[in-house]
Amino acid sequence: AQSVTQLDSQVPVFEEAPVELRCNYSSSVSVYLFWYVQYPNQGLQLLLKYLSGSTLVKGINGFEAEFNKSQTSFHLRKPSVHISDTAEYFCAVSRASKSGYELNFGKGTSLLVTP
Amino acid sequence: GAVVSQHPSRVICKSGTSVKIECRSLDFQATTMFWYRQFPKKSLMLMATSNEGSKATYEQGVEKDKFLINHASLTLSTLTVTSAHPEDSSFYICSASQVGTEAFFGQGTRLTVV
Repeated sequence: AQSVTQLDSQVPVFEEAPVELRCNYSSSVSVYLFWYVQYPNQGLQLLLKYLSGSTLVKGINGFEAEFNKSQTSFHLRKPSVHISDTAEYFCAVSRASKSGYELNFGKGTSLLVTP
Repeated sequence: GAVVSQHPSRVICKSGTSVKIECRSLDFQATTMFWYRQFPKKSLMLMATSNEGSKATYEQGVEKDKFLINHASLTLSTLTVTSAHPEDSSFYICSASQVGTEAFFGQGTRLTVV
């Protein structure tokens, strides 16, 4: 089975500062990796995904993530955050053979951006 | 991306009654739909996976008689919480996908049982 560990439950950061949200996964097979954002009382919105190819993935809202197979990591980064980036961020993994089917989510990281 | 609509967004019901939540894929045919439950400050827990025209596959620990899932068409899946109790209060989210694509999420339903 695949699993995901998000190492930080909360990340406070000042506006316009860079941020990194950490995600490590565990799997014995090839995986697909995803980052989702959730605003209060809303569903999940896909930020970016890694399926294959380039290990540096660029997503929406200026976010990017790098797949590191040797370290089994998929950390999310943004060079300069905005107040509006305050939300819950979830890393998720799926078996490569099933595309984006059954997602196993991490516990989430709350990003709090303050002025 | 594709649009998945979930309805209602909020519902309050009395203990002992049943509540139905709908999940619709608006612009694509969803061969598979997933239902998740999210507790406050917690991650999403997969409850069940449903494929159009067949019975849902429930995750371990999820009561299939309490959480009835129907996926009668390629654009609609429903989750019915039967004989709801306060401990069933939660945020329920559906997602939908078709073969070879990622899953797209609905907006979620906040269920409060009083």
